[in-house]
Amino acid sequence: DTGVSQNPRHKITKRGQNVTFRCDPISEHNRLYWYRQTLGQGPEFLTYFQNEAQLEKSRLLSDRFSAERPKGSFSTLEIQRTEQGDSAMYLCASSPPWTLNTQYFGPGTRLTVL
Amino acid sequence: AQKVTQAQTEISVVEKEDVTLDCVYETRDTTYYLFWYKQPPSGELVFLIRRNSFDEQNEISGRYSWNFQKSTSSFNFTITASQVVDSAVYFCALSETDAGGTSYGKLTFGQGTILTVHP
Repeated sequence: DTGVSQNPRHKITKRGQNVTFRCDPISEHNRLYWYRQTLGQGPEFLTYFQNEAQLEKSRLLSDRFSAERPKGSFSTLEIQRTEQGDSAMYLCASSPPWTLNTQYFGPGTRLTVL
Repeated sequence: AQKVTQAQTEISVVEKEDVTLDCVYETRDTTYYLFWYKQPPSGELVFLIRRNSFDEQNEISGRYSWNFQKSTSSFNFTITASQVVDSAVYFCALSETDAGGTSYGKLTFGQGTILTVHP
């Protein structure tokens, strides 16, 4: 089975620039999640989709963050006007409808904002 | 609000020792799910186990075992005869469920326990 894939794996950007990350879930997984993990911390929930519908957004997701899953397959997470505090690992996970929310994670995209 | 606490920030053991990782959670729901994930140095979170709040049976999988005690809101994880390959960060997580009994999407993670197994 192909796992969850994320691109790019690393992104270095300058403060104020926009960045976009992509996540491809495992085939047939209808739910897709985004988390953010900073050094020494557990992942923090950002948002999740069931098919193409965005069902929940965390208060961590400021208006500079937007996520989409237009056709219920891959998803993108965009950060506008990046700040140094956005530097983190962005994790994507997916789950199928039959495993009661067991989430399978991708390798993550590490963002560094200079 | 739900919360997960992993009080042990770091644990260091010598190979073949048994080690227990503690997890305490808070939730107002009566139906919820608990998880353990492993994050090796490569960085990718690996699912280990899911437990339903109604099922308090302990579970064993090879060298891994889990002790779920609803009365103390704990879900502890024991590795028997630890090996160097067990070195990783281990996370406990909680997911509350909706009225239909299917989970919400959000996992709430603890801060993780760094386990180092020395040869």
